[in-house]
Amino acid sequence: KQEVTQIPAALSVPEGENLVLNCSFTDSAIYNLQWFRQDPGKGLTSLLLIQSSQREQTSGRLNASLDKSSGRSTLYIAASQPGDSATYLCAVINNAGNMLTFGGGTRLMVKP
Amino acid sequence: DAMVIQNPRYQVTQFGKPVTLSCSQTLNHNVMYWYQQKSSQAPKLLFHYYDKDFNNEADTPDNFQSRRPNTSFCFLDIRSPGLGDTAKYLCATSRWADRGETQYFGPGTRLLVL
Repeated sequence: KQEVTQIPAALSVPEGENLVLNCSFTDSAIYNLQWFRQDPGKGLTSLLLIQSSQREQTSGRLNASLDKSSGRSTLYIAASQPGDSATYLCAVINNAGNMLTFGGGTRLMVKP
Repeated sequence: DAMVIQNPRYQVTQFGKPVTLSCSQTLNHNVMYWYQQKSSQAPKLLFHYYDKDFNNEADTPDNFQSRRPNTSFCFLDIRSPGLGDTAKYLCATSRWADRGETQYFGPGTRLLVL
C-alpha cells in the first residue's frame, strides 16, 4: 500500500528566504505526482503536476523535482512571501490505480 | 465562475445523531469524490461516483454513505457519527476518472462531533 510522508510538518521562515519542502513515497511505481496548496477555509489548489517520466516542473517561483527511483519529490519556493503561507500537500497516483494518495502536508508560515 | 460548493461550511452534531453534508458543482463533471481530512493529516478518499456508479474504498466504514441524485449534487451521510468522525470533509470533482485528470476541490465542511 502506497504511503506518502511529508517533512517537516511545519515550517516558519522570514520573508525572502528560499525554502524546500520534502515529500517521500514508498512505492516508486507512480503515474504522476502533484503538489497542492491548501489555504484555511478554501479547497485544495493544484500547483504543479509531474508525470513519472519527468524530472521537474516549474511555475513562477515554484519548482518541483521528482526522483522516482528513490521515492522522493521536493518543492522549491524561491524568494518566499507572506502570501505563500499555507499548507502544501503532495499526492501521487499509482500505476496500478487512478486515485490520489496524499501526504500529511507541510504547514508553511512566511513572516514579514 | 464554475466551482465546487460545499454546505454547510461548519457543522456541529451530537454523538450518534445523523448528519448530511452537501456538495454541488457547476463544472458538469462526471466524477465526484468525498475525502475525510482529520486535523494535520492527509486527506483520505472515502468513495467516489463515476456518473451514477458508486465506488467505495475498502476501508471506508459502513457508517458513511453517499447519494448522487443528479450530476450536480452529491451528499455524504454519516448515519451515527462518532467522536472520531470529527474532521474536514472535502468534495472534489473531475471530468473523467482517468489518472491524468485534474481534481477540483471544494472548500470543505468542518464537522465537529460532540
